[in-house]
Amino acid sequence: GAVVSQHPSRVICKSGTSVKIECRSLDFQATTMFWYRQFPKQSLMLMATSNEGSKATYEQGVEKDKFLINHASLTLSTLTVTSAHPEDSSFYICSARGKGQKIYEQYFGPGTRLTVT
Amino acid sequence: GQSLEQPSEVTAVEGAIVQINCTYQTSGFYGLSWYQQHDGGAPTFLSYNALDGLEETGRFSSFLSRSDSYGYLLLQELQMKDSASYFCAVRGGYQKVTFGTGTKLQVIP
Repeated sequence: GAVVSQHPSRVICKSGTSVKIECRSLDFQATTMFWYRQFPKQSLMLMATSNEGSKATYEQGVEKDKFLINHASLTLSTLTVTSAHPEDSSFYICSARGKGQKIYEQYFGPGTRLTVT
Repeated sequence: GQSLEQPSEVTAVEGAIVQINCTYQTSGFYGLSWYQQHDGGAPTFLSYNALDGLEETGRFSSFLSRSDSYGYLLLQELQMKDSASYFCAVRGGYQKVTFGTGTKLQVIP
């Protein structure tokens, strides 16, 4: 149980375009979802936390208007990178926690590798 | 703020034991988790310590000393498949989880 999927797994886009990444909890209801980015050989940096039906809480330094997060249902959250630039190229990972799961549990998706050319 | 430090790389021999340390500075502390991440893959949860002491899960054990702001992950009977990056993560104030810098473990024959 506790499977999280992401789509797409890889995406290449041109500078200036927008990209949407989906994160789905497949076998549980995700009351909270987290979005991270990870640069090569570096740690995971939390970008934002979203609770179903509420606005996402962004970490300091993360542009809300550039990284749009929507958590419209208990199984789906989306991250849209707007007007992408090469410096946005990174590995984006979502994680989710559901009802009844321990507070420290997070289940990670397989990640999405974004390359902006 | 929160910061966590780990050694960047560790090399160990197959079948041996290796310890990966993590020291942290946080505003608020609820617990320390450990995650494993293979190259290009998602982090997977290994263990969690909220209280001082040792937690054992199979070949993996995790230790916490809150007074020393220190923890470690102990891997026994190392296997080649254990080669991966290992991250400690602190659950701190406002339930925010902050990840450490990561330790790349290489297991050699």
